[in-house]
Amino acid sequence: ETGVTQTPRHLVMGMTNKKSLKCEQHLGHNAMYWYKQSAKKPLELMFVYSLEERVENNSVPSRFSPECPNSSHLFLHLHTLQPEDSALYLCASSQSRQAYNSPLHFGNGTRLTVT
Amino acid sequence: AQKITQTQPGMFVQEKEAVTLDCTYDTSDPSYGLFWYKQPSSGEMIFLIYQGSYDQQNATEGRYSLNFQKARKSANLVISASQLGDSAMYFCAMREAAIQGAQKLVFGQGTRLTINP
Repeated sequence: ETGVTQTPRHLVMGMTNKKSLKCEQHLGHNAMYWYKQSAKKPLELMFVYSLEERVENNSVPSRFSPECPNSSHLFLHLHTLQPEDSALYLCASSQSRQAYNSPLHFGNGTRLTVT
Repeated sequence: AQKITQTQPGMFVQEKEAVTLDCTYDTSDPSYGLFWYKQPSSGEMIFLIYQGSYDQQNATEGRYSLNFQKARKSANLVISASQLGDSAMYFCAMREAAIQGAQKLVFGQGTRLTINP
């Protein structure tokens, strides 16, 4: 596989469930990101990891918990979500050694529906 | 605060015509970078082109070019000879900061481009 892979592609969960989103990159990058894309809103940056260290947490509610066990994998653990958390969650990676012109490479996203 | 504005929510273009997607930005930082991404219905964000604030020439990548007007703070994407497969959402983004080598990008609202046969 190449690029950035996200699983699952679709997820429906109740408000009391616990689930996790997974992201894996095969590009040799060392920075990884979670973005949230809601209808009619710009992409919102949630978390940033560089060299497996969390370097940005954009005032995200604690019901979202990221985990980066190594530079190739990123998880987003979900618990007690709200219906307004329904959105497309996009994972991305980039090469931090060339920060200024290094584009983010995105996965296909996980379409999350909270019922 | 830095901001990206895409004023065209939707555009309809005939196949093989050129199309310009508008993007204006607001920043007080003299060093910044601008990116354009394409998002088909599949959801993946595909990187198209990059322009650095100190680049002397407008960026080009195949059928994509960037009309960078620094004084006007605009970075419009030009797609030449449009194809049906160009139908997608297009997002302009600006590097807001670099954090320990990672990029913090801020995105515009996007423009939905539809290419008609």
